[in-house]
Amino acid sequence: DVKVTQSSRYLVKRTGEKVFLECVQDMDHENMFWYRQDPGLGLRLIYFSYDVKMKEKGDIPEGYSVSREKKERFSLILESASTNQTSMYLCASSPPTQVPSSYEQYFGPGTRLTVT
Amino acid sequence: RKEVEQDPGPFNVPEGATVAFNCTYSNSASQSFFWYRQDCRKEPKLLMSVYSSGNEDGRFTAQLNRASQYISLLIRDSKLSDSATYLCVVRFSGAGSYQLTFGKGTKLSVIP
Repeated sequence: DVKVTQSSRYLVKRTGEKVFLECVQDMDHENMFWYRQDPGLGLRLIYFSYDVKMKEKGDIPEGYSVSREKKERFSLILESASTNQTSMYLCASSPPTQVPSSYEQYFGPGTRLTVT
Repeated sequence: RKEVEQDPGPFNVPEGATVAFNCTYSNSASQSFFWYRQDCRKEPKLLMSVYSSGNEDGRFTAQLNRASQYISLLIRDSKLSDSATYLCVVRFSGAGSYQLTFGKGTKLSVIP
């Protein structure tokens, strides 16, 4: 069974703090992703990574950065947290595949971040 | 432009009913299609892929119409345990093809 774990289920931080969200997967997947999910807006991609030390911007990268020093770990960093970054953050991973219809992303349980 | 639009919902249906969700996508070069299910306060999980010829998995049937850029999910004989949010998901071809684009989801409540 694929397992994606996230460091915290709930997190409360103050405006201006630096925040680290950690994600670890145990299936040796090349691809990892960070999303945020907000009511009425759905899942939106923040950043993703194809390989160690590789990163690509998603649809809403502003205010975020990422780090991928090891294949199994993908970190999301909020350099200076703001109240509009209060959200559910979901990490996902996927293997590379040559069969498009069998492509699947596996999600972690999410971290609900509140910035006050 | 990569967009996936779904029925707004919510759908409230009695047990045993048949319910259908629809989804449209913006890019005709899209590569593959999926339905994910998300239970309340849980992460999304793959429900089923959607194949060009249509496919069935038990009570669930998915259809794809590439000409109309339209995907559907039919649930027959609804169970209480089917209550969840259903996400229409498209993998667009081209640069960044490992990305998935998610619809905003349709909430289903199956009522006793």
